[in-house]
Amino acid sequence: AIRMTQSPSSLSASTGDRVTITCRASQGISSYLAWYQQKPGKAPKLLIYAASTLQSGVPSRFSGSGSGTDFTLTISCLQSEDFATYYCQQYYSYPQGTFGQGTKLEIK
Amino acid sequence: QVQLVESGGGVVQPGGSLRLSCAASGFTFSSYGMHWVRQAPGKGLEWVAFIRYDGSNKYYADSVKGRFTISRDNSKNTLYLQMNSLRAEDTAVYYCAKDQRGYIPVWGQGTLVTVSS
Repeated sequence: AIRMTQSPSSLSASTGDRVTITCRASQGISSYLAWYQQKPGKAPKLLIYAASTLQSGVPSRFSGSGSGTDFTLTISCLQSEDFATYYCQQYYSYPQGTFGQGTKLEIK
Repeated sequence: QVQLVESGGGVVQPGGSLRLSCAASGFTFSSYGMHWVRQAPGKGLEWVAFIRYDGSNKYYADSVKGRFTISRDNSKNTLYLQMNSLRAEDTAVYYCAKDQRGYIPVWGQGTLVTVSS
């Protein structure tokens, strides 16, 4: 099974900061990677798919990059509403998908 | 608009059974594969099961294989998850989710399943 490892597990930042979250796959997954945002008590929300394609309606301050085994999610200018937990998901082994353990982004 | 609404969660004893339902609206349900994804309290997301648009193929996580059964009724726009031989570690919020060739653009609000004596 493909394992997904995110780093860091938690991150403190301030409004206006640029932050980067990393996701590493245990084997190559091409660009079959998605990123989700989840707020407490809510369902996850799709941000990015195919490693770098922004989902409709998602602000352009979110961006994704990478292919193969190493991927990043970058938020260019943090807004208050961006403080949440972020998950990566590989779907190379479709239809079985695997999620990373999550990165909690907190206010400094 | 596209909507998924889960129901059927609750408290069940270890070894018991429960059936979750997910009512879909706002899209052509019979054209899409569907997933169940769960999240234990305070933990991350875990993919549970997938069913193809026509119900012809079903896939399960090893952790639930042989105990859970995913099914669908396209005439009722409804997805199901039959959960048998429940264990404490099955306690989680269960989300139904619309597939888009692997990634998930639409999620339900979730339904909580608690396995406890």
